[in-house]
Amino acid sequence: AQSVAQPEDQVNVAEGNPLTVKCTYSVSGNPYLFWYVQYPNRGLQFLLKYITGDNLVKGSYGFEAEFNKSQTSFHLKKPSALVSDSALYFCAVRDTTRTGGYNKLIFGAGTRLAVHP
Amino acid sequence: EAGVTQFPSHSVIEKGQTVTLRCDPISGHDNLYWYRRVMGKEIKFLLHFVKESKQDESGMPNNRFLAERTGGTYSTLKVQPAELEDSGVYFCASSSLGQGPPGELFFGEGSRLTVL
Repeated sequence: AQSVAQPEDQVNVAEGNPLTVKCTYSVSGNPYLFWYVQYPNRGLQFLLKYITGDNLVKGSYGFEAEFNKSQTSFHLKKPSALVSDSALYFCAVRDTTRTGGYNKLIFGAGTRLAVHP
Repeated sequence: EAGVTQFPSHSVIEKGQTVTLRCDPISGHDNLYWYRRVMGKEIKFLLHFVKESKQDESGMPNNRFLAERTGGTYSTLKVQPAELEDSGVYFCASSSLGQGPPGELFFGEGSRLTVL
């Protein structure tokens, strides 16, 4: 079965320090991977994606993620955290059992990032 | 351009009552998805419309849930009768059909349902 795991319920980091939010996946075939962020009282916002090519992808707000096929991971990273990065982060993989314009995503449970001043 | 809008933002009902959630996708987006997040759990797929047709409703929990998409525009998700376990945040998302990056969905702010 296809799935996404985010092993940490919460990640705490001091402002200015690097941050990592972990994600591993299980999917048949080549994965399309995504990170979404949910700020308080807001909907999910797209951060970045990996479709193909360079394993290091850059996204919005200075975030990046590294695709590691052998470890089936897609960890989200940022070199220097900001207090305003505090939010709920979701990793997702596209369902590979369907093709074409079908964009069903399978999400993880989310990781709450808390950046302290 | 207006984003995906959902109504109501929060609904509190008693067990056994009926609630209808509405989603207005981005204009021109043929794909419309409903997802649900129960407290602390993963966001789970409920169903997918292409225009007015249901393409995949494999995630619908049971027959107390009914989704419609009139004329391929807005969609409604009705829960009747509501049970305690239906509480959660219901997200709607849309995307264009066969265009743009795969998997990039545009989400609404969600409708929080509380069943007492």
